[in-house]
Amino acid sequence: NAGVTQTPKFQVLKTGQSMTLQCAQDMNHNSMYWYRQDPGMGLRLIYYSASEGTTDKGEVPNGYNVSRLNKREFSLRLESAAPSQTSVYFCASGLGKAAYNEQFFGPGTRLTVL
Amino acid sequence: AQKVTQAQTEISVVEKEDVTLDCVYETRDTTYYLFWYKQPPSGELVFLIRRNSFDEQNEISGRYSWNFQKSTSSFNFTITASQVVDSAVYFCALTYDNYGQNFVFGPGTRLSVLP
Repeated sequence: NAGVTQTPKFQVLKTGQSMTLQCAQDMNHNSMYWYRQDPGMGLRLIYYSASEGTTDKGEVPNGYNVSRLNKREFSLRLESAAPSQTSVYFCASGLGKAAYNEQFFGPGTRLTVL
Repeated sequence: AQKVTQAQTEISVVEKEDVTLDCVYETRDTTYYLFWYKQPPSGELVFLIRRNSFDEQNEISGRYSWNFQKSTSSFNFTITASQVVDSAVYFCALTYDNYGQNFVFGPGTRLSVLP
């Protein structure tokens, strides 16, 4: 039982390049999330997927797109990376029901945009 | 608007001291959930506790305890007899909707426990 896995762990991009961050969970969770973590700002929600086939914007969606490929996988795409997107990105999953809605986090992807 | 404030940016204590991490939240909802997460130097976030708004009982788990007070909108976390392994960034978080889609995290408190 691997929990939430993310690839890659580290990435360096040049401004304007694109890339996709991959996330998978094996806990049969309905909901999945993408966050970014910046110093002194906690975690901010980029996009979430309440269930397979649905995605919605979070607090900071600009410059990102997501795909909920199936129940297990939720990817985050940067179409044209900018230095402001330098951050640590966390994927999370959760059952999505109020009584059980703690989120389980992946190990994170550290992205640097030059 | 929902908001979580952790006024202590960094705290340093010497091993075996007790330390309290403060969390103050704002919400207009009557039903909500509060959480604490730990982020050790390795970077992953570890779930510590969930508390719903109808349960004001304090909770103790080993050296960890949590004090939830609705009257002051606070959900403070105390580590008793701190250890070096407690060194981490601790996040308080709030969610208010049925499907947990809107987690709001505080900025975190960095705790350093010195030997």
